[in-house]
Amino acid sequence: DSGVTQTPKHLITATGQRVTLRCSPRSGDLSVYWYQQSLDQGLQFLIQYYNGEERAKGNILERFSAQQFPDLHSELNLSSLELGDSALYFCASSVGTSGGPTDTQYFGPGTRLTVL
Amino acid sequence: AQKVTQAQTEISVVEKEDVTLDCVYETRDTTYYLFWYKQPPSGELVFLIRRNSFDEQNEISGRYSWNFQKSTSSFNFTITASQVVDSAVYFCALRGANFGNEKLTFGTGTRLTIIP
Repeated sequence: DSGVTQTPKHLITATGQRVTLRCSPRSGDLSVYWYQQSLDQGLQFLIQYYNGEERAKGNILERFSAQQFPDLHSELNLSSLELGDSALYFCASSVGTSGGPTDTQYFGPGTRLTVL
Repeated sequence: AQKVTQAQTEISVVEKEDVTLDCVYETRDTTYYLFWYKQPPSGELVFLIRRNSFDEQNEISGRYSWNFQKSTSSFNFTITASQVVDSAVYFCALRGANFGNEKLTFGTGTRLTIIP
């Protein structure tokens, strides 16, 4: 158990809908990262938050947005869903000290999103 | 840009054989971090090891060992006396050290099957 929690574990929805994925980081971690794992794209970085502020952005679609709340949990919002958005979405957390030798990302169990 | 190449898509070995998973990386950073993660059939991503670019010492942890060679930009992973529980997809990943460059860039993974 990494200490990172994600809910829900599975999500099935229809095209055009909007969903919210939730992540709680490990105790003491300030950075939260979101990754998408799909068969055609592999594991891709979406976005990073550090202590409530956006820190880095990857190949995140405009239909997707995220935020990190004062209690450090994070939510990833996916809207106008398409079939191609079906994937495993991972949240990871780390202490967040850039370059720190102990700054390892630990991953949650993932949310499997199926868009029908 | 950072890039990680895992040329071996799938490997199958008989239990108790040794197996090496290859990882080659590209980066312009002088300081960076390399990682291996394991994704068992249950789907979670499990952290195995982190290696700093300024530390080329090889590491051994039980049946696992890692060979980091900066001269060839490789970070290979060897499992000795493989077991069925080692069956999983293994990902090599690279991370920068600078502010805002902490995302993980993953390889495409190597699916390892241990045949009993």
